[in-house]
Amino acid sequence: ETGVTQTPRHLVMGMTNKKSLKCEQHLGHNAMYWYKQSAKKPLELMFVYSLEERVENNSVPSRFSPECPNSSHLFLHLHTLQPEDSALYLCASSQGTGPFYEQYFGPGTRLTVT
Amino acid sequence: ILNVEQSPQSLHVQEGDSTNFTCSFPSSNFYALHWYRWETAKSPEALFVMTLNGDEKKKGRISATLNTKEGYSYLYIKGSQPEDSATYLCAFISWGTGFQKLVFGTGTRLLVSP
Repeated sequence: ETGVTQTPRHLVMGMTNKKSLKCEQHLGHNAMYWYKQSAKKPLELMFVYSLEERVENNSVPSRFSPECPNSSHLFLHLHTLQPEDSALYLCASSQGTGPFYEQYFGPGTRLTVT
Repeated sequence: ILNVEQSPQSLHVQEGDSTNFTCSFPSSNFYALHWYRWETAKSPEALFVMTLNGDEKKKGRISATLNTKEGYSYLYIKGSQPEDSATYLCAFISWGTGFQKLVFGTGTRLLVSP
């Protein structure tokens, strides 16, 4: 247990659906992240939140919409996705956004877009 | 575009063997290097955060070294055990990003047979 939980663990959705991924951290951290891992590719940073403010949107299409209502919760709202968006989505948190803080990851949501 | 390379892509050793793998990163604008261990069906887990040229870190049978001038880090596992089987990821942070923008390699997948 890393102290970071994600739900659901698996999700199948059609291209016209709207769904949300949820992440919760129980570590008292101030920074939270969304990552995407597609097959055969490295983990790719999508969004960074620091103290509930978004500090990075790494050129992510608008069909992915993050929300951070408080420092413990992070959501990724999904709408009109494409099949190429099928991937493992990982949430992480860290004590701060400085480069020396290790990140704590959740187990991920395996997303399939049909 | 920052490029982080890891080699080998995969490695299969026998229990008791010692092994090492390499992470290569841009030598300019170095800020920090992270190593993570990712077991199948689990969350990535931080091993080391390395910041200074010549850094050496150790955790049990696992150790890492850092050469920022030539842009590489080595991860060593002494006397590999089956429970060391995992994918080992390195991630680079460059100076000037202002926050933790980790750029990951694709990882080295280690399998240790009993």
